[in-house]
Amino acid sequence: EAGVAQSPRYKIIEKRQSVAFWCNPISGHATLYWYQQILGQGPKLLIQFQNNGVVDDSQLPKDRFSAERLKGVDSTLKIQPAKLEDSAVYLCASSPTSGGLVNEQFFGPGTRLTVL
Amino acid sequence: GNSVTQMEGPVTLSEEAFLTINCTYTATGYPSLFWYVQYPGEGLQLLLKATKADDKGSNKGFEATYRKETTSFHLEKGSVQVSDSAVYFCALRFNDYKLSFGAGTTVTVRA
Repeated sequence: EAGVAQSPRYKIIEKRQSVAFWCNPISGHATLYWYQQILGQGPKLLIQFQNNGVVDDSQLPKDRFSAERLKGVDSTLKIQPAKLEDSAVYLCASSPTSGGLVNEQFFGPGTRLTVL
Repeated sequence: GNSVTQMEGPVTLSEEAFLTINCTYTATGYPSLFWYVQYPGEGLQLLLKATKADDKGSNKGFEATYRKETTSFHLEKGSVQVSDSAVYFCALRFNDYKLSFGAGTTVTVRA
């Protein structure tokens, strides 16, 4: 079974530019998460989707970050405009809502963003 | 709020040494507790978990016991290998499914 796919793996941009990350969850997983992992810290949840609806976006900086999951499968996370403090690894995870592994989160390899 | 505090690293060990990484949590209620591992260049993987007090999670020679009285979930392995070199994260989760992670502990095992 294929895992969670993310692209790109690395991205370098200058501050005030825009950037977008893509995530393809494990097939059949209804729940999708985006986390931000700043160097030296644990991952912090930015947004959680159930199918194409937002469950929790309380820690998403909505003035510059946006995310969508239009068809309840793939998701994109966008930052516009980027700031230096957005330099981090952006992790996508997905989890099933039924079966033996219900609610266990499976993580992708992450996208490492550097803002100069 | 809910939070996790884990032992600061980095930790450097020789092969076959005993490893302990301390993890304590602050939470209202009784969360599920997890250890995740991140090998170099890879994504986070679930290592083990415990869902209620006194449960012991185990996997790949690692163990951790959910201690309600000390609000702890310390990770242990009796004999580490070079392949155990990774970053280890303690985390908690309530029924809202949101994971709250500790800062991570980097472990390096020397041959």
